Amino acid sequence: DVKVTQSSRYLVKRTGEKVFLECVQDMDHENMFWYRQDPGLGLRLIYFSYDVKMKEKGDIPEGYSVSREKKERFSLILESASTNQTSMYLCASSIPGQGTNQPQHFGDGTRLSIL
Amino acid sequence: DAKTTQPPSMDCAEGRAANLPCNHSTISGNEYVYWYRQIHSQGPQYIIHGLKNNETNEMASLIITEDRKSSTLILPHATLRDTAVYYCIVRIPQGGSEKLVFGKGTKLTVNP
Repeated sequence: DVKVTQSSRYLVKRTGEKVFLECVQDMDHENMFWYRQDPGLGLRLIYFSYDVKMKEKGDIPEGYSVSREKKERFSLILESASTNQTSMYLCASSIPGQGTNQPQHFGDGTRLSIL
Repeated sequence: DAKTTQPPSMDCAEGRAANLPCNHSTISGNEYVYWYRQIHSQGPQYIIHGLKNNETNEMASLIITEDRKSSTLILPHATLRDTAVYYCIVRIPQGGSEKLVFGKGTKLTVNP
């Protein structure tokens, strides 16, 4: 089975802090994604990556950056956390290939609270 | 906006089949239908996907109408652990980004 592991289930940080969310997958997937999920807004794509050191902006990249130094690891960085970034963050991965129809597999999420 | 329409909630008795409908009347010819579910406080779990033909795996069956404008996810013998929000998704290509757009889904409650 595909395993996508997010480093923390719950995280509390303060406004202005730099926050790192880590995601690791064990299936040698080249595609990795970061979403946030908010009540009433569904899932929104923040960033994605097709390969090591490669990244593409999603729909809501403002206030975030990402890092993909190794194939199995995709990090989401909140440069200066703000209260409107309080959310559930979900990492996903999928089999490589643009335009493929292979499913994305998700981690259990990190519930981040910014105080 | 999500391209699918699902009932907001459904109930099912434990041990019975759960049939979850989804409308996707604007689906294009090369778009697949995917089903995920999300149990409270967990990440979405992939269930099944299909293009035209009916599909079955160890978790569920997917029935897609001939005109592809609707589909039904079938859980053949629902258990209490199947209580979750079920999302029907049509794949939206975005320069190969494979973005998933989740709608509001159907909250399935399996009752003892």
